[in-house]
Amino acid sequence: SQKIEQNSEALNIQEGKTATLTCNYTNYSPAYLQWYRQDPGRGPVFLLLIRENEKEKRKERLKVTFDTTLKQSLFHITASQPADSATYLCALANTGNQFYFGTGTSLTVIP
Amino acid sequence: KAGVTQTPRYLIKTRGQQVTLSCSPISGHRSVSWYQQTPGQGLQFLFEYFSETQRNKGNFPGRFSGRQFSNSRSEMNVSTLELGDSALYLCASSPGPGEAESDYTFGSGTRLTVV
Repeated sequence: SQKIEQNSEALNIQEGKTATLTCNYTNYSPAYLQWYRQDPGRGPVFLLLIRENEKEKRKERLKVTFDTTLKQSLFHITASQPADSATYLCALANTGNQFYFGTGTSLTVIP
Repeated sequence: KAGVTQTPRYLIKTRGQQVTLSCSPISGHRSVSWYQQTPGQGLQFLFEYFSETQRNKGNFPGRFSGRQFSNSRSEMNVSTLELGDSALYLCASSPGPGEAESDYTFGSGTRLTVV
């Protein structure tokens, strides 16, 4: 069956360090993968998209990698700040824009 | 531009009742998708509408239904509510299938509590 797994436990990290979140999937052939940020009581907010033929994407302090052989995406936040504390979701999409979300990783950046 | 608007924000219903939730997409977006989010299951896809037609459907019972109007606004309905239907219901809009994947925008959701 299809499965998307993110870091199962909450991730605590010291301010200024790099946070690395993992998204692993099985039995999918996604056209692209997205990362979202979700704050309590709010809807997810789009952060980055990476396509199946791309290895890496960057946006300011964010970096995403995508390894279709390993069926894994890594999401990095460099120079992390307390304001980065939130739940981060990965989503796989097929060519018809149907999305499948992971359950999320709760990140806490400690001052 | 205005974001995706979901109403109401909070709702308390009794088991067995039915409920209708509303979603107004970003102006110009013609595709609306609905999701159910619970702590244990995460975000689960309910259905997607485009041009008043249901394009995709998730694995939910027939008690969950939806529709889209000519102005792209969408409603979802849940009949015969069960306690397990308590969740955050999110809608997301996009320009259309296969268009501008980075423009997939979520609303703030409707928190439904079934008692």
